[in-house]
Amino acid sequence: GAVVSQHPSWVICKSGTSVKIECRSLDFQATTMFWYRQFPKQSLMLMATSNEGSKATYEQGVEKDKFLINHASLTLSTLTVTSAHPEDSSFYICSAPRPRGVTYEQYFGPGTRLTVT
Amino acid sequence: AQKVTQAQTEISVVEKEDVTLDCVYETRDTTYYLFWYKQPPSGELVFLIRRNSFDEQNEISGRYSWNFQKSTSSFNFTITASQVVDSAVYFCALSEARQAGTALIFGKGTTLSVSS
Repeated sequence: GAVVSQHPSWVICKSGTSVKIECRSLDFQATTMFWYRQFPKQSLMLMATSNEGSKATYEQGVEKDKFLINHASLTLSTLTVTSAHPEDSSFYICSAPRPRGVTYEQYFGPGTRLTVT
Repeated sequence: AQKVTQAQTEISVVEKEDVTLDCVYETRDTTYYLFWYKQPPSGELVFLIRRNSFDEQNEISGRYSWNFQKSTSSFNFTITASQVVDSAVYFCALSEARQAGTALIFGKGTTLSVSS
């Protein structure tokens, strides 16, 4: 079964409003989670790294004041798109590394499709 | 810098044909992981394979096979006897092999269309 969940799976919001997306690791703790964005017919691009107990690390070109990330607990990271605009419409996917021996397995959430009208 | 190149944007085949999806990567790391994911129209990524840079053995899983060539920095994926259900976008990805678990760098994807 799924080991990383996302909520909601899809959301439609009006321009100017904020929307929060949750990413949960279901049966393991994740001190780090990753947020990706995928525009239609494009690849997944890393937006930011969510770190439990410290500030998120944003990739170049990603506005940290617009995409607020909070790693609320060892199993939950949230991405809040503030003052959303139509150009923020995208597919947002999170992932969490799960320990496997001396290394990690990356597990991806099912994604959240955001449409801003 | 790390980079993954999938030169084939779209491929169309007829059912039962074999098809190979190319993936070329760049990295300065000596230890890294390579991945293939399938993304059907639903959007959810389906994990297909992870390969450690130290393991150059080719792998076969049913109709799927992977050819890892370190000398040419390639990690190609072949589907034998393709089926309509194989239609999807396929991503090749690369990550460092650090203890903390690192993010994946994805190629641009190859859209595979299999017609009956």
